[in-house]
Amino acid sequence: ETGVTQTPRHLVMGMTNKKSLKCEQHLGHNAMYWYKQSAKKPLELMFVYSLEERVENNSVPSRFSPECPNSSHLFLHLHTLQPEDSALYLCASSQDLGQGTYEQYFGPGTRLTVT
Amino acid sequence: SQQGEEDPQALSIQEGENATMNCSYKTSINNLQWYRQNSGRGLVHLILIRSNEREKHSGRLRVTLDTSKKSSSLLITASRAADTASYFCATDANQFYFGTGTSLTVIP
Repeated sequence: ETGVTQTPRHLVMGMTNKKSLKCEQHLGHNAMYWYKQSAKKPLELMFVYSLEERVENNSVPSRFSPECPNSSHLFLHLHTLQPEDSALYLCASSQDLGQGTYEQYFGPGTRLTVT
Repeated sequence: SQQGEEDPQALSIQEGENATMNCSYKTSINNLQWYRQNSGRGLVHLILIRSNEREKHSGRLRVTLDTSKKSSSLLITASRAADTASYFCATDANQFYFGTGTSLTVIP
């Protein structure tokens, strides 16, 4: 699990707060991902970055803003969230995008609660 | 939806028994992967099977793929309490799709 780290592990924030989630991968991968996992729902792909360029944005509300300053780091900036945004946010990386040929390595996730 | 859908949603077995989980999907794929997730943690990759493969083994895991039926199965033999987790299939069809998972409980 130390290949991909996420901080913080738990976050409680009010709807007017601004916070950021951080992900770091130590595997030398080129692609990084943000997923949202809510109870009883499939894992939702939010954003995909390849070589620091965003290649996928799955109709995610603008209150979620990703940032990828380099191939090892990925951030998810949060502002004016809603209670329904409470979920486990997972970061993953893979060697490349390659149409799913490469396995994804996941971080432990950030458990976000919006009050 | 294009996601893989796992079946059953929940499975409870005794230690030592075999556990079988199924995944169905709707579109053509390049490959299919199975992942495992312990409660509240990240997913861990288990096995990848390509669309031109029919069966693959890894330790106590056996995965089959039937592209004509658009389905896959994951068999865990001689289950252990430590196998208790959620299991997801993931398919690629221009994008990576995960299902809702099968929650497996292995009773010691």
